Amino acid sequence: EAQVTQNPRYLITVTGKKLTVTCSQNMNHEYMSWYRQDPGLGLRQIYYSMNVEVTDKGDVPEGYKVSRKEKRNFPLILESPSPNQTSLYFCASSTIGSYNEQFFGPGTRLTVL
Amino acid sequence: GQQLNQSPQSMFIQEGEDVSMNCTSSSIFNTWLWYKQDPGEGPVLLIALYKAGELTSNGRLTAQFGITRKDSFLNISASIPSDVGIYFCAGLFGTASKLTFGTGTRLQVTL
Repeated sequence: EAQVTQNPRYLITVTGKKLTVTCSQNMNHEYMSWYRQDPGLGLRQIYYSMNVEVTDKGDVPEGYKVSRKEKRNFPLILESPSPNQTSLYFCASSTIGSYNEQFFGPGTRLTVL
Repeated sequence: GQQLNQSPQSMFIQEGEDVSMNCTSSSIFNTWLWYKQDPGEGPVLLIALYKAGELTSNGRLTAQFGITRKDSFLNISASIPSDVGIYFCAGLFGTASKLTFGTGTRLQVTL
């Protein structure tokens, strides 16, 4: 089954404790992206990647890092999480040029205390 | 970053009623998309619109790409309980990869 998976689905952590949210897709997609969803703001792009070792900032990259060492994986790293990073995070993927057909993962709800 | 203004923010309707929501932007888009997000899930694409003035249907859903390219509308006819969720519009410009999302419309359907 074609899918985007994220782990963990839920995470409660404390300020300053480094964490990684994993994202993996099995569709051989070149393009992957991370979004955060906040009430009243919709989804905003954090980082995206056009292919292995190619990443770029989205609209709200501050406080986040990403890496793309393999085509299928695109982890989101919070080196020193802060409470304003409490949010619902989505990973998405698509083929290059088919950005209108992005597949979204199920989401990771992060709470930073 | 840019955002799309979506209205209404939330709607409480009775089963069987029709629903309308819209999305407006200060910038033009080449592609308008409508997504639905079920509780605990990621957004799922409902309808894609590629041309100004285009009217596209998907079952009980109908969406239109505004003539000015700065707005789009989604209508749901004869709502049912499984229509509950958050509906997002999103826009794409040119060959850019970034989806710009609306603020969402939360739909509740009562029996």
